[in-house]
Parts: sequence; structure tokens; C-alpha cells
Amino acid sequence: EAGVTQFPSHSVIEKGQTVTLRCDPISGHDNLYWYRRVMGKEIKFLLHFVKESKQDESGMPNNRFLAERTGGTYSTLKVQPAELEDSGVYFCASSQAGRWEKLFFGSGTQLSVL
Amino acid sequence: SQQGEEDPQALSIQEGENATMNCSYKTSINNLQWYRQNSGRGLVHLILIRSNEREKHSGRLRVTLDTSKKSSSLLITASRAADTASYFCATLDTGRRALTFGSGTRLQVQP
Repeated sequence: EAGVTQFPSHSVIEKGQTVTLRCDPISGHDNLYWYRRVMGKEIKFLLHFVKESKQDESGMPNNRFLAERTGGTYSTLKVQPAELEDSGVYFCASSQAGRWEKLFFGSGTQLSVL
Repeated sequence: SQQGEEDPQALSIQEGENATMNCSYKTSINNLQWYRQNSGRGLVHLILIRSNEREKHSGRLRVTLDTSKKSSSLLITASRAADTASYFCATLDTGRRALTFGSGTRLQVQP
């Protein structure tokens, strides 16, 4: 069974540019989460999808961040325009329907904004 | 504000020794979990302890939970070089459906 995959693994962009991160959850997992770790600090929750619907987006930092999950399958997280403080590792995780406890994580995307 | 807060931030031990990491949290929880992250990899679920449990074992891992003190500890016995990683506690807060993570403990096991 394929795990959670994220693409790209690394992205280096300049301030003001746009970047789109992609996450493919484990097949059949209804729950999909985005998290971010900045500069070795805590892993912060960004948002939670149940299928194609946003269940909780309380962690999204501002309107420069846009997450979508078309058809309840893969998800994208777009940052537009990127700022220096957006640098960090963006993790995606998924879990089965009704199971919010045990998450399966992707390897993350290391985003560097210069 | 940060929910889970691990202590220490970094820990270096020799192979064969035991490693103890602590986590404190602030709100009411349903359960607490520990995850491991190897460098450049995703987080891997290690163990879950529910709010009505006080201690749980899994292989070389032992987790305790004290809900009165809002704290948990993770003990890794007979550590190995392969245990070198960052360890995070995560809580599932009452009424929420998303885990809250701390800042992690970086464990280095010297061979």
C-alpha cells in the first residue's frame, strides 16, 4: 500500500513568487491534514479536510494560503505571494474516516523563500 | 499558544542507555500520542495512551500519562543508534478532530 506522498520534496523560491505543494493521501483516507514546522519550532496545524470539505481551517496563517482538495482525493496548498516567514517544512497527513488519532504522514516539502 | 511542549529540547546519550523525554500540555485531552521523525522523513506514530490510562508499553517504549499534572513521559530503554530522531508528543484535544503537536525533543544516540 502506498503511503502519503508529497511533491516536491524541496522548493526554493523568491519572495513574491507563487508555490503550489501537492499531497496524495493514502487511498481511501477521508481525512487529510496540512501541518507546518518553522525553524525547528512546534509542528503547527494548518487545516483539515474531510473528503473535499474543509472541516477546520483555523490554523491557516492568512489569505496568502489557499488549500484545495478536488474530488476528495489529492490536495494542493498554494502560497501566493510567498513571504520569507513562510519558509519551513510542510507536512501532509491522512487518516481513515472517523479516525482522528492515528495519522500517516508524508515526508514533507521543505520550502525556502529567499 | 503551544499545546504540547517537550523537554528537553535535545538529548544525547550512549547506546544502551535509557532515554526519557517529557511532554506537558494545557487543555483537556482524549488521548496523547508520541511520534518519531527521522531526518528528512515524515512522522511515524509510535504509541497512543488514552486519558483514562496511566501507563502503556510497546516493545522498548514506555509511556506514562498524568492528567492531573497535564504531563506525559516517553521512556526508550536500551537505546540504539537507530533511535536517533526527533520525538514529538501530540494531543487530541476534547472536541477537536486534529492533533496538536509540540516542538519536539532531538535525541542523539551515540554508538
